[in-house]
Formats: sequence, C-alpha cells, structure tokens
Amino acid sequence: AQSVTQLDSQVPVFEEAPVELRCNYSSSVSVYLFWYVQYPNQGLQLLLKYLSGSTLVKGINGFEAEFNKSQTSFHLRKPSVHISDTAEYFCAVRRGNQGGKLIFGQGTELSVKP
Amino acid sequence: GAGVSQTPSNKVTEKGKYVELRCDPISGHTALYWYRQSLGQGPEFLIYFQGTGAADDSGLPNDRFFAVRPEGSVSTLKIQRTERGDSAVYLCASSLIPAETQYFGPGTRLLVL
Repeated sequence: AQSVTQLDSQVPVFEEAPVELRCNYSSSVSVYLFWYVQYPNQGLQLLLKYLSGSTLVKGINGFEAEFNKSQTSFHLRKPSVHISDTAEYFCAVRRGNQGGKLIFGQGTELSVKP
Repeated sequence: GAGVSQTPSNKVTEKGKYVELRCDPISGHTALYWYRQSLGQGPEFLIYFQGTGAADDSGLPNDRFFAVRPEGSVSTLKIQRTERGDSAVYLCASSLIPAETQYFGPGTRLLVL
C-alpha cells in the first residue's frame, strides 16, 4: 500500500524568505508524484508533477520540487515567497501502472508573514 | 473553458436523511473522481469512473455510499442514512484520461446535524 507523509503540518515564514515543504512517500512500485495547492475557500490546483525524466520539476508560481528515489522524497521549494503564497499544500502519489486514484498527504499550511 | 462544477456548494441535513451531491466534469473528460476531505486532513479517495463504469470503488467507506455516472458525464454521489461523521467537503475531479492531470472542483461542504 502507498502512503504519503508531509512532515510539517504548519510552516510559518517571512515574506521573501526561502521555503521547503517536505514530503516522503512509501510504495513498492514506481509512482507519479504531485503537489497541489489549496487557497482559502478555493479548490485544489496543480502546482507541479513528476512523471519521469529529470528529477527537478518546475511548476507554477516559481515553485519547484526534486524527486529523490533513494530517499523516497519529493520536497517542494521556493527561493522567495510572497504573501499570496499563503495556502495549504498537499503532496500526492499515484501508482505508475494504475488508474487515476491519488493518495494525499495530510497537508502543510504555509503562512507567509510580512 | 468551464472547469469542474459541483452542486450544491453547501448542504445541511439531519442525521438519518438521504443526500445527493452532483458533479459536472470538464467537457470531454472520460475519468471522474470523488474524494472526501475532513477538517484538517488531506483528500481521501472514494471512487473513480472511467466512462460510465466504476473502475475503482475501493474508497467507499460502507454501503451507505453509492455513486453513478449513467451517461459518462455528470456524476451523483448518494449518501443514505447520513451520520454526523459524514460531515466533510466532498471533492470531485476529472481528467481527460486516467493517466492525465486531475482538475478539481470547488467541493460540496456537507454538514450533518
């Protein structure tokens, strides 16, 4: 069975500081990896995804993530955050050889302060 | 173009009642998914359809929950004999095919009193 662990439930950070949101997964088979963002009172929006190829994936709004197979991690990073990045971030996995079911982590609440 | 829409946006019901939640996927998307998100948790998979058939219903918690997609487009999630523990945001997503990106709707917030 697959599982996803987001190591921090809350991450407070000051504006223009760098941030890393951590995600570890467990799976016995190859997986596809995703980061979604949920702004207050809005639906989930895809930030970026790793399917294959380069382990460094760039997404929208200046975010990027690095797939590390040996450490089974897919941490999300941004070099300089803005107030508007305040939101809930979810890491998710999907088995590479199956249909579309996503397994989500518990979420990390990113709070950017001026 | 139009995204995934869900109705109603909010639903308040009493314990024991029956509810239906509707999802309109993006036009042309063959795959449709239902998830449930409880307060402070990540979305939890319930069921997914490929066309009209349920390809995976392993996430449905019990036989009070049922979903249909009779024409391969709109889907309805049906909950019988609602319980207070069913209170959550029910999310719908669709994708062009199962391997493609899932696009989420805004959700239906269900409150069972």
